[in-house]
Amino acid sequence: AQRVTQPEKLLSVFKGAPVELKCNYSYSGSPELFWYVQYSRQRLQLLLRHISRESIKGFTADLNKGETSFHLKKPFAQEEDSAMYYCALRTGGTSYGKLTFGQGTILTVHP
Amino acid sequence: KAGVTQTPRYLIKTRGQQVTLSCSPISGHRSVSWYQQTPGQGLQFLFEYFSETQRNKGNFPGRFSGRQFSNSRSEMNVSTLELGDSALYLCASREGDTQYFGPGTRLTVL
Repeated sequence: AQRVTQPEKLLSVFKGAPVELKCNYSYSGSPELFWYVQYSRQRLQLLLRHISRESIKGFTADLNKGETSFHLKKPFAQEEDSAMYYCALRTGGTSYGKLTFGQGTILTVHP
Repeated sequence: KAGVTQTPRYLIKTRGQQVTLSCSPISGHRSVSWYQQTPGQGLQFLFEYFSETQRNKGNFPGRFSGRQFSNSRSEMNVSTLELGDSALYLCASREGDTQYFGPGTRLTVL
């Protein structure tokens, strides 16, 4: 069975500091990885997907199949980045609408 | 386009009762997935419907069921409620590989 692990429940950094939110997964097939974010009093929303290899709001994430990781990084954190971040995995095939989520990491960026 | 809507937003029930939650997807989206969110277990997949057919099912007991209508609106039903069913229930409609989440229904079982 697939699993997603986010080892840090809480992460605090100061504005302007680099930030890395860790995500590890276990799945024997070819995974699709996503980062979802939930800002205060807002809905859960997609931040980025590994397939598109894009940078969104300064965040990037690289899929490392050897280490089974998909860490989220930003070189200079901003206060507006404070939110709950979830790493999610989709196993492909017919599992289009099924996401397996990690437990989430609360990121707090201090001024 | 309007976002995913869920009704009701809050519900209080007692053990043994049943409950029905509703989800209206974004116009044009044919896939609706349901998730249960609790502090202890996090976000867990319940099931997905596509064109009125259940496509995937998570690891939940048979008390949890769902359906989808021809207009893509979906309902989920929980029968014989237990205290542990207290949770935020999220639905999401999908376009491509992106899921768009609703605000959730907060269910409290007393």
